[in-house]
Amino acid sequence: GDSVTQKEGLVTLTEGLPVMLNCTYQTIYSNAFLFWYVHYLNESPRLLLKSSTDNKRTEHQGFHATLHKSSSSFHLQKSSAQLSDSALYYCALGGSNAKLTFGKGTKLSVKS
Amino acid sequence: GALVYQYPRRTICKSGTSMRMECQAVGFQATSVAWYRQSPQKTFELIALSTVNSAIKYEQNFTQEKFPISHPNLSFSSMTVLNAYLEDRGLYLCGARETVSNERLFFGHGTKLSVL
Repeated sequence: GDSVTQKEGLVTLTEGLPVMLNCTYQTIYSNAFLFWYVHYLNESPRLLLKSSTDNKRTEHQGFHATLHKSSSSFHLQKSSAQLSDSALYYCALGGSNAKLTFGKGTKLSVKS
Repeated sequence: GALVYQYPRRTICKSGTSMRMECQAVGFQATSVAWYRQSPQKTFELIALSTVNSAIKYEQNFTQEKFPISHPNLSFSSMTVLNAYLEDRGLYLCGARETVSNERLFFGHGTKLSVL
């Protein structure tokens, strides 16, 4: 079945440093959608980025990710971390049956 | 904008009793609603996917007998956890979208279930 791997459970960074959260996936569905959701404490998870186009960079609110089907990856990046970026980040895969499969999540902690 | 209100936010129930949670979609038509559970230290697990006017599809390890879902119209869905036990505790999340295809889900805040 479909699966999503986020290897890092916790990423701790100093403000101003670049962010890179890893996401790889497995699916047999050739037109899979990949999503990044951000979950702040006491709020509902909300969509940050999504893509289904190979090798096309997608950007939103300073974050960007490029879907690479050859390596089954959709890593989330930001050039400079801010304190307000501290949250849980989930990578998710939308497969053939519209079911969304989540990774385990990466907690990003940005310190001053 | 599109929003999903989910309630209650938190609930505590005695072991063996049942509790119901509800989701209300505002600003869009919730054709498809997905219910997820996040158990302690785990990711979001899909319980079932509900589409208006279609049968509800439960994932392996989840059954209608344990997690009955109602999705009577395009703005409302509810799920009940029947005979809740310790292993049922966690955060239950509903996500709704207008189409059945791979579009973004709008999530509620979640219902945190504690079982005594």
